[in-house]
Amino acid sequence: DQQVKQNSPSLSVQEGRISILNCDYTNSMFDYFLWYKKYPAEGPTFLISISSIKDKNEDGRFTVFLNKSAKHLSLHIVPSQPGDSAVYFCAARVTNSGYALNFGKGTSLLVTP
Amino acid sequence: DAGVTQSPTHLIKTRGQQVTLRCSPISGHKSVSWYQQVLGQGPQFIFQYYEKEERGRGNFPDRFSARQFPNYSSELNVNALLLGDSALYLCASSLLEGWMNEKLFFGSGTQLSVL
Repeated sequence: DQQVKQNSPSLSVQEGRISILNCDYTNSMFDYFLWYKKYPAEGPTFLISISSIKDKNEDGRFTVFLNKSAKHLSLHIVPSQPGDSAVYFCAARVTNSGYALNFGKGTSLLVTP
Repeated sequence: DAGVTQSPTHLIKTRGQQVTLRCSPISGHKSVSWYQQVLGQGPQFIFQYYEKEERGRGNFPDRFSARQFPNYSSELNVNALLLGDSALYLCASSLLEGWMNEKLFFGSGTQLSVL
């Protein structure tokens, strides 16, 4: 049962424009959300996170928005750069259940010059 | 500082065989987690170990087992391999147990192919 869903397998954006990656979840107990980026032949690397007590977290070009009522979060990348081309995974956890992360299937982002 | 290191990087086994995958966490990190990533899917949680004790287990059969050593390195063992065990196995480490929402640091993984 997929509790974290990324319904867009791929996204193509022009350099300099905004990239918006979406993620939906079904488990209302999730209280911490993360985005990981993965390049081929490398492990996922942490990008940004947000606690359920917030609705926005910003780090440089990356901003994550959380809409708890809709069980939806999104990652905005502004401006997009060719080096951002990678697979982006949305993940969520229930704090009191340990550190098991529930991942979505990922969205492959391609930023074209 | 070295990141999370996993060995081997690639492995080919046949059905019914057993395999051992190894992971060295970042120096000073006491928690190790294992994830399985099947092609086209996101990573799926298998185990978490902290201070040599199992702290969490995902929905995997008993053919999967793991342990953590006094130096905090870890091994993942899979017995009686099935074709469906073919996947990228990722190891991740964190400084503490993870209750404080610290982030995980992943290795590059071991690509296991079962023929």
